[in-house]
Amino acid sequence: QKEVEQNSGPLSVPEGAIASLNCTYSDRGSQSFFWYRQYSGKSPELIMSIYSNGDKEDGRFTAQLNKASQYVSLLIRDSQPSDSATYLCAVLSGGYNKLIFGAGTRLAVHP
Amino acid sequence: SQTIHQWPATLVQPVGSPLSLECTVEGTSNPNLYWYRQAAGRGLQLLFYSVGIGQISSEVPQNLSASRPQDRQFILSSKKLLLSDSGFYLCAWSVGLSYGYTFGSGTRLTVV
Repeated sequence: QKEVEQNSGPLSVPEGAIASLNCTYSDRGSQSFFWYRQYSGKSPELIMSIYSNGDKEDGRFTAQLNKASQYVSLLIRDSQPSDSATYLCAVLSGGYNKLIFGAGTRLAVHP
Repeated sequence: SQTIHQWPATLVQPVGSPLSLECTVEGTSNPNLYWYRQAAGRGLQLLFYSVGIGQISSEVPQNLSASRPQDRQFILSSKKLLLSDSGFYLCAWSVGLSYGYTFGSGTRLTVV
């Protein structure tokens, strides 16, 4: 069974700080990785995708990928209370675009 | 632009009753379609996926079934609901690797 592991949190950071969210995966053949944000009671929304080793930046978000270590991370700079949500790491496995999700890390940004 | 519709938003059903949840996608052709379930406080579990009309793959044995009668329509069904079927049901679509999945707004099902 292919697995994606995340710390459930909650991760509590002060407003303006950097939030660091981490994820490990077991399928060494995975090539595509995604971060979703899910507000309480809502459906997940895609915020970042990454396919190559290294960093990918999009506004306040930076995704980092290390395939050798099977590790993906998401950094949120200048965290805002509106960033408080559960962040889901997802890894593409198999031949039919099947996304395997981690259980998510709950982030709480306090003023 | 592409949109995904899922209904109803909430549903309360008695144990043993049937279920039918519908999902439709607009603005794209031949999408891959997926049904996920999220139990309270848990991650997303893939239930079914479909790469074309009439093509359904099941990920886990359970009390549910899925059908794809049209290219952009995906239906999740049950003949007799169990208490353990309660959860947040999400439909999603994709057409390629670059964009991940786009989720519908979900149906919160409570079996009583």
